[in-house]
Amino acid sequence: QVQLKESGPGLVQPSQTLSLTCTVSGLSLTSNSVSWIRQPPGKGLEWMGVIWSNGGTDYNSAIKSRLSISRDTSKSQVFLKMNSLQTEDTAMYFCARKRVFDYWGQGVMVTVSS
Amino acid sequence: DIQMTQSPASLSASLEEIVTITCQPSQGIGNYLSWYQQKLGKSPQLLIHSATSLADGVPSRFSGSRSGTQYSLKINRLQVEDTGIYYCLQISSTPWTFGGGTKLELK
Repeated sequence: QVQLKESGPGLVQPSQTLSLTCTVSGLSLTSNSVSWIRQPPGKGLEWMGVIWSNGGTDYNSAIKSRLSISRDTSKSQVFLKMNSLQTEDTAMYFCARKRVFDYWGQGVMVTVSS
Repeated sequence: DIQMTQSPASLSASLEEIVTITCQPSQGIGNYLSWYQQKLGKSPQLLIHSATSLADGVPSRFSGSRSGTQYSLKINRLQVEDTGIYYCLQISSTPWTFGGGTKLELK
């Protein structure tokens, strides 16, 4: 049974770095890509970036300079790190499998506030 | 970046009605288009991939089509559980981009 679950701090101070983890089960990260997608409150979805099954990455150019996605295949975990957080980064953050996003995590709400 | 123009932004329809939502990309994307349904407080759920392929477990009243460069999601015989927000997504080239969403309500 494929499952993805996001975890991380609910509150981050402005200018700080966000670190999130997506823990997967029922799938292998060496055979599946995982993307991060975010959704500000009451707004639409924004694709942030992907880590491919071979470990390569692609990022949304709008946030590329602040974003890093990595993984630990032995722990079945994918990591997101984004620096220089601002209030507009307040959002629900999701991870999702494959290019068609056939499975999603439940999401983790991140609020950027002092 | 490819812009996805989704319409309408909101829609009110009656039970059993046929509903159509469209997405127009700013450049060609082939069949690299998916549709998602998101209910309040939940993660999006895949409905259609590759423009016309129904995802596993999705009711057959949902269908996707392509006419030239315009893509459509059709819901036959609208049901109560179909309310929510629908999004299209292009995965032809990065950055992958979503449409702005269509909020579907029951009349």
